[in-house]
Amino acid sequence: QKEVEQDPGPLSVPEGAIVSLNCTYSNSAFQYFMWYRQYSRKGPELLMYTYSSGNKEDGRFTAQVDKSSKYISLFIRDSQPSDSATYLCAMNNNAGNMLTFGGGTRLMVKP
Amino acid sequence: SQTIHQWPATLVQPVGSPLSLECTVEGTSNPNLYWYRQAAGRGLQLLFYSVGIGQISSEVPQNLSASRPQDRQFILSSKKLLLSDSGFYLCAWSVSGPYEQYFGPGTRLTVT
Repeated sequence: QKEVEQDPGPLSVPEGAIVSLNCTYSNSAFQYFMWYRQYSRKGPELLMYTYSSGNKEDGRFTAQVDKSSKYISLFIRDSQPSDSATYLCAMNNNAGNMLTFGGGTRLMVKP
Repeated sequence: SQTIHQWPATLVQPVGSPLSLECTVEGTSNPNLYWYRQAAGRGLQLLFYSVGIGQISSEVPQNLSASRPQDRQFILSSKKLLLSDSGFYLCAWSVSGPYEQYFGPGTRLTVT
């Protein structure tokens, strides 16, 4: 079993929809949770990170962490075709330099 | 502002040939530096990280090596490439901890 699981998709939604992207994890020591967006053939771009449980909002993006369920989510409101990309979650236990990544979810927002 | 460069952008190399990929960071001092590999359709695998000049930690045993000859320069090397070394190689940096890493544009390596 992988430490971090992500549905690979693809997830296809119409423009303007609310998108929910999710990761589950097994290591209860994870404390930092990151979301990256990766366009095709480009490097990942850090969208946001959260510490421990709770919500964090940045524009159309909201990150949510539920440590009791070992489940994190990224919500995208009013999705745009430019949001079409692969979204990677990543986690760290604050005890080393390693980020553990999910395999990524490919999102397609259709006009 | 900080920027990170990687070159070359793409590379096609025969099996058994050597490899040298370079990464440089501008606009920051004493960054942590990382090398990742991303296989097609898969997540990122950490290969090496460095917290300072000459300090390299390896996460995965392989035929690759890394060096950090200058504060903001990170090099990934191999003496003899294998077919399994093909992939997308990404360099990243951070200063405030491993949880806020910023990635370069990547090098796409195809070993034939």
